[in-house]
Amino acid sequence: GAGVSQSPRYKVTKRGQDVALRCDPISGHVSLYWYRQALGQGPEFLTYFNYEAQQDKSGLPNDRFSAERPEGSISTLTIQRTEQRDSAMYRCASGGTLLGSYNEQFFGPGTRLTVL
Amino acid sequence: AQTVTQSQPEMSVQEAETVTLSCTYDTSESDYYLFWYKQPPSRQMILVIRQEAYKQQNATENRFSVNFQKAAKSFSLKISDSQLGDAAMYFCAYEGGVYQLIWGAGTKLIIKP
Repeated sequence: GAGVSQSPRYKVTKRGQDVALRCDPISGHVSLYWYRQALGQGPEFLTYFNYEAQQDKSGLPNDRFSAERPEGSISTLTIQRTEQRDSAMYRCASGGTLLGSYNEQFFGPGTRLTVL
Repeated sequence: AQTVTQSQPEMSVQEAETVTLSCTYDTSESDYYLFWYKQPPSRQMILVIRQEAYKQQNATENRFSVNFQKAAKSFSLKISDSQLGDAAMYFCAYEGGVYQLIWGAGTKLIIKP
C-alpha cells in the first residue's frame, strides 16, 4: 500500500483479555516504531525495530507488553492481561531504507484501544 | 536524557493573523533533528516541518516557518495567515542518535473566525 496501515482501527476489550495490534509498514522500510498516546497527551515511545531485530524496548511499560517483527515487515504489538490504564491510541510508524542515516517516520492511523 | 517541553497547552489566534508556538528541548547531542507535527481531530499525525540541527538556516514550508536557536535549545513554529484548517494539536518532537522520536506534550491551536 501507499502508507502505513494498522489494524484493527478500534478495539474494545474487557480487562484481563489479551490483544494483538498489527502494523503493516511501507514496503521496504527498514525501521518500525511503536508509540502510545493517551488522550490529551503527546505520544510516548514504546519500542522500535531495524529489520526483524528489536533495537530498543525501553519504552515498554511492563512485561505485559511485547512486540515482534519476525520477517522484518509486519509487526505485532501484544498486550497481555489488559488493564484499564492500557486504554490509549497505539500508533505505528515506519521509516526509510537506509540504516545509520536520518529517516523520516511515517505514521499509521493508529489503533484506539479501550479496555473496559 | 533528552526532553522536549511545550509550555503552552493552548493558544488561540484570529483567522489570517500570525501565531507562534514555543518549544524547548534539552540534549547533549550536537547532531539531531527537530520536527513539528500536526494532529487534527482525526488524530492523524502529519509532519508540518523539519529542521536539521547542523543547518543554521531556519526551515520554511509555505505559511509555516521555524525559529531555531541551537544555543538556546529553542525551536518555535510560526504560522502566518492562519486558516481555519490549521486548528489542531501541534507537537514538537526531537530525534537524535537513538532515532526514536521524543515528544512534547502538545499545544492546542484554536483559530477564531
